[in-house]
Amino acid sequence: GQSLEQPSEVTAVEGAIVQINCTYQTSGFYGLSWYQQHDGGAPTFLSYNALDGLEETGRFSSFLSRSDSYGYLLLQELQMKDSASYFCAVRRAGNMLTFGGGTRLMVKP
Amino acid sequence: NAGVTQTPKFRVLKTGQSMTLLCAQDMNHEYMYWYRQDPGMGLRLIHYSVGEGTTAKGEVPDGYNVSRLKKQNFLLGLESAAPSQTSVYFCASSQPGESHTDTQYFGPGTRLTVL
Repeated sequence: GQSLEQPSEVTAVEGAIVQINCTYQTSGFYGLSWYQQHDGGAPTFLSYNALDGLEETGRFSSFLSRSDSYGYLLLQELQMKDSASYFCAVRRAGNMLTFGGGTRLMVKP
Repeated sequence: NAGVTQTPKFRVLKTGQSMTLLCAQDMNHEYMYWYRQDPGMGLRLIHYSVGEGTTAKGEVPDGYNVSRLKKQNFLLGLESAAPSQTSVYFCASSQPGESHTDTQYFGPGTRLTVL
């Protein structure tokens, strides 16, 4: 089976840096994706790691260690608009995604 | 481009009623997916399709059926709705090989309540 673990909630202040961790157990692993979802909205793609290492996209970075079955999303220079839920998702064959339960990020002034 | 659209946006059903949710995409994507999201949880894959005329079961297929008669449309049917199917339903599409990320693009969701 597949399972992903991520913290349910994280709180940080505006301008700070926050890291959201994700550990996974799965078969047929192709890569780890991250999606953002604002309340009442649809998930939107943030980042993807197929290989070990860091991927940087503006204020967001994502890291993967395949040997440790571990990844994280790093958000820098936090803004109020970053308050949302963040989901890690394992990509499998057929581009299927298995999602974690999500981490609710609250950014405070 | 409208991207991925879903119809309807909201629906209330009584137990035992049937309904069909429609998903349409105008990006010419091969792959389409149906997910459900329960409060405070991640998305779970119901069914998916890797091309016109093909469908396959995901993680939670029981109680649902799907059809992909046209490439741009993916229909999700509930034959006999149950309160346990109260959820938000998201459709998504992707194009294999379009980029190394194979991003899935999601529709706005359908909020379904079964009484």
